[in-house]
Amino acid sequence: DVKVTQSSRYLVKRTGEKVFLECVQDMDHENMFWYRQDPGLGLRLIYFSYDVKMKEKGDIPEGYSVSREKKERFSLILESASTNQTSMYLCATLDRNTYEQYFGPGTRLTVT
Amino acid sequence: AQRVTQPEKLLSVFKGAPVELKCNYSYSGSPELFWYVQYSRQRLQLLLRHISRESIKGFTADLNKGETSFHLKKPFAQEEDSAMYYCALRSSNTGKLIFGQGTTLQVKP
Repeated sequence: DVKVTQSSRYLVKRTGEKVFLECVQDMDHENMFWYRQDPGLGLRLIYFSYDVKMKEKGDIPEGYSVSREKKERFSLILESASTNQTSMYLCATLDRNTYEQYFGPGTRLTVT
Repeated sequence: AQRVTQPEKLLSVFKGAPVELKCNYSYSGSPELFWYVQYSRQRLQLLLRHISRESIKGFTADLNKGETSFHLKKPFAQEEDSAMYYCALRSSNTGKLIFGQGTTLQVKP
């Protein structure tokens, strides 16, 4: 059973703070993704990674960066949090055989 | 441009009524389409994919290339079907999924 875990379920940060969201998977999947989920906008891809130290921008990368130092861990970084980054953040991995994505439980981030 | 459109934000039906959640896509090439579901307080998970042509929890979805649609259907809705449903398109050159805006299905008793 694929396990994708995220470091926090709820997070409250102040404007301007640096924020780290961590995602860990145990299925040896190469591809990992970070999305944000907003009502009426669906899931929007922020960044993805297809291997260690490899990353590509998604559709809305502005204000975010990522780090993939180990295969099982993919971190999303908000360099200077802003109120418009208040959202639900979902991490996912991809099974390349089936192209099914496996999601973490999400982190609800509030920036005040 | 590759795009997935779910025109309904909310679909509300009574238990036992038929359900159809609409999904339209634009994609040049052979699309691969999925439906994902998120029940309350649970993580997003795959419901079904067009390539396997299966029925899951009574739901089916047929790819209609002429109408560029992949609507999700169930003949008799159950209260436990209440959830957020996302249609998604796999971009074959990158493997990324492109998601629609999502439709909340509310099944009333």
